[in-house]
Amino acid sequence: DAGVIQSPRHEVTEMGQEVTLRCKPISGHNSLFWYRQTMMRGLELLIYFNNNVPIDDSGMPEDRFSAKMPNASFSTLKIQPSEPRDSAVYFCASSLVGDSNEKLFFGSGTQLSVL
Amino acid sequence: QQQVKQSPQSLIVQKGGISIINCAYENTAFDYFPWYQQFPGKGPALLIAIRPDVSEKKEGRFTISFNKSAKQFSLHIMDSQPGDSATYFCAARNPPGRGGADGLTFGKGTHLIIQP
Repeated sequence: DAGVIQSPRHEVTEMGQEVTLRCKPISGHNSLFWYRQTMMRGLELLIYFNNNVPIDDSGMPEDRFSAKMPNASFSTLKIQPSEPRDSAVYFCASSLVGDSNEKLFFGSGTQLSVL
Repeated sequence: QQQVKQSPQSLIVQKGGISIINCAYENTAFDYFPWYQQFPGKGPALLIAIRPDVSEKKEGRFTISFNKSAKQFSLHIMDSQPGDSATYFCAARNPPGRGGADGLTFGKGTHLIIQP
């Protein structure tokens, strides 16, 4: 299994531009999570989906952020317009609810820099 | 409000020593307490986890000690090795609800360096 796949690995953009981060969860997993990691705030849960349905988006910082999961094998996190304070590493993770461990599998992350 | 408080922020241990990282939580509804290990440029990976009905869990050199009454849990790394140098996160989870698993709430992480 290839694990959780995120793209791009690195993204450098200018303030005001739209940014789209992509995630392919592990096949068969039914929950997907988007996290943001910064030095100051650590790992923050932004949103999570169960069976492609958004369950809790209370962690999304503001309306500039949106996330979709059109099918079980793909999710996007979009920032429009981007701002310098959005610079962080964004992680996607997936899990199988019902598995006794309910282990989260993380992707390698997208390093976002907004200039 | 930070629901999971982790300390120390950074830790330096000599090779062969014991590394100890502590976490405290506030929400008594949490039912699952994992520790994740993260190497530079990688996502966090599950290291070991415990449920609140036991006080200790050991896997190889890694042990979680859990104190439910104090709402604290800690990670002990015995015979620490340079390869253990990484960032460690404790986490806690609410019981699954609304048809799915809630996301984990993470501590802010501990940067561990094992000196040869």
